[in-house]
Amino acid sequence: DAKTTQPTSMDCAEGRAANLPCNHSTISGNEYVYWYRQIHSQGPQYIIHGLKNNETNEMASLIITEDRKSSTLILPHATLRDTAVYYCIVRVSSGNTPLVFGKGTRLSVIA
Amino acid sequence: GAGVSQTPSNKVTEKGKYVELRCDPISGHTALYWYRQSLGQGPEFLIYFQGTGAADDSGLPNDRFFAVRPEGSVSTLKIQRTERGDSAVYLCASSLTPRVGLSGYTFGSGTRLTVV
Repeated sequence: DAKTTQPTSMDCAEGRAANLPCNHSTISGNEYVYWYRQIHSQGPQYIIHGLKNNETNEMASLIITEDRKSSTLILPHATLRDTAVYYCIVRVSSGNTPLVFGKGTRLSVIA
Repeated sequence: GAGVSQTPSNKVTEKGKYVELRCDPISGHTALYWYRQSLGQGPEFLIYFQGTGAADDSGLPNDRFFAVRPEGSVSTLKIQRTERGDSAVYLCASSLTPRVGLSGYTFGSGTRLTVV
């Protein structure tokens, strides 16, 4: 079972920041937070991951609360091409357990 | 190749038939994963290979499902006596090692299986 809770859907205006929340209150000390997204008719695509520090890459920023029980994925300037289902996953990085996906958040970017 | 390749992209088969779905991972990736995705759901884990061996097959729903990776590269997911409930998109992913690491898994675009 997925260890995360995400809203079912969200809307965001094009050009604005999209902030996607994720709750993972039972996260363990050695578990990372991963974000993937899935655009229609494609396989999931890796976005970013982090352990406790905030992370940023060319796609997004990941903000993890100090107690690590929740996090937020930020797309700073959402475009129509960012419309997708976004999955938040927790997993031990060094382990052999596969990624477990929940239902994710369906983000709709609106012109 | 540059990415994970899955063939065919679409497969329609009759109930009771046997099907094979192929996954060609990124060259050099030792870990390979199969997932199944039904409409409106997230991907559901089926089986994971490390090299040639199945390291975790706990997600296979029953003994009609089987997967192989004989040379540690290409993998084939085999479904016997297909049922309408097997209709889904079957996704394959690979990673350099089981440690998900810097870039996570790379997924293919999937094979859409329809059992009629």
